[in-house]
Amino acid sequence: DAGVIQSPRHEVTEMGQEVTLRCKPISGHDYLFWYRQTMMRGLELLIYFNNNVPIDDSGMPEDRFSAKMPNASFSTLKIQPSEPRDSAVYFCASAFTVTGMNTEAFFGQGTRLTVV
Amino acid sequence: QKEVEQNSGPLSVPEGAIASLNCTYSDRGSQSFFWYRQYSGKSPELIMFIYSNGDKEDGRFTAQLNKASQYVSLLIRDSQPSDSATYLCAVMDSNYQLIWGAGTKLIIKP
Repeated sequence: DAGVIQSPRHEVTEMGQEVTLRCKPISGHDYLFWYRQTMMRGLELLIYFNNNVPIDDSGMPEDRFSAKMPNASFSTLKIQPSEPRDSAVYFCASAFTVTGMNTEAFFGQGTRLTVV
Repeated sequence: QKEVEQNSGPLSVPEGAIASLNCTYSDRGSQSFFWYRQYSGKSPELIMFIYSNGDKEDGRFTAQLNKASQYVSLLIRDSQPSDSATYLCAVMDSNYQLIWGAGTKLIIKP
C-alpha cells in the first residue's frame, strides 16, 4: 500500500476563497482523522470518522470548516471562506482500529496551507 | 480538559549519550501511550507504544510507563545526529481519543 495520500501538498490561496483538501486512507483502515498542526497550538484533532461516519467533530474550529467521507477510500476537508489564521499544515491519518493492540495511526505527508 | 504535557525543549544531547524525553498526562483512565517522531517538514511516524507499567525496549529505544505517577518517558541510547527531531507523546484516553503533547525538540550534537 502507498500509505495515506494527501493532496495537494501545498496550497496558497487568498482570503475568502474556498479550499478543499483531499485524503485517501490506507485500504482496510476503518478510522480516518483530520489534524491541524501549527507552531502555537501543536497537533489538534479536527474530526475523525469510523467506517465513513463522522464520530467526533468537536475539534472543528467553526462553521467555515466541513469534512466529508463519501466512501472508504476518500475524504475531504473544506474551508469556506478561508482566513489567514487557517494557515497551517493539515494532516490526514488513518488507523485500523482504536482499541486493542493495533492502534497505530499512519499519517499522510500533509498539506501546507497558506492563506494570504 | 484532558492534557498531555511535554517540555518543548530544545533538548541538546551529545552524540553517543542517552536522550531522555518525558511526558505527563492528566487522564488516569488512559490506556495506551505512543511516541511519535517528526522530522522538520515531515509527518509524524510511530516509533514506540506501550500499554503496561514498566519498560519496553526496541533497539536503541526504551519506553517507560508509570501509571501511578501518570508519567511516560522515552530513552534513546547511543544518540545519533539522525535522531534529531521533534518527539510527540500521544495518549489514548478512556474514550479512545488520542490526546497529543506539543512535542519536545531533540538536538543531537556531533
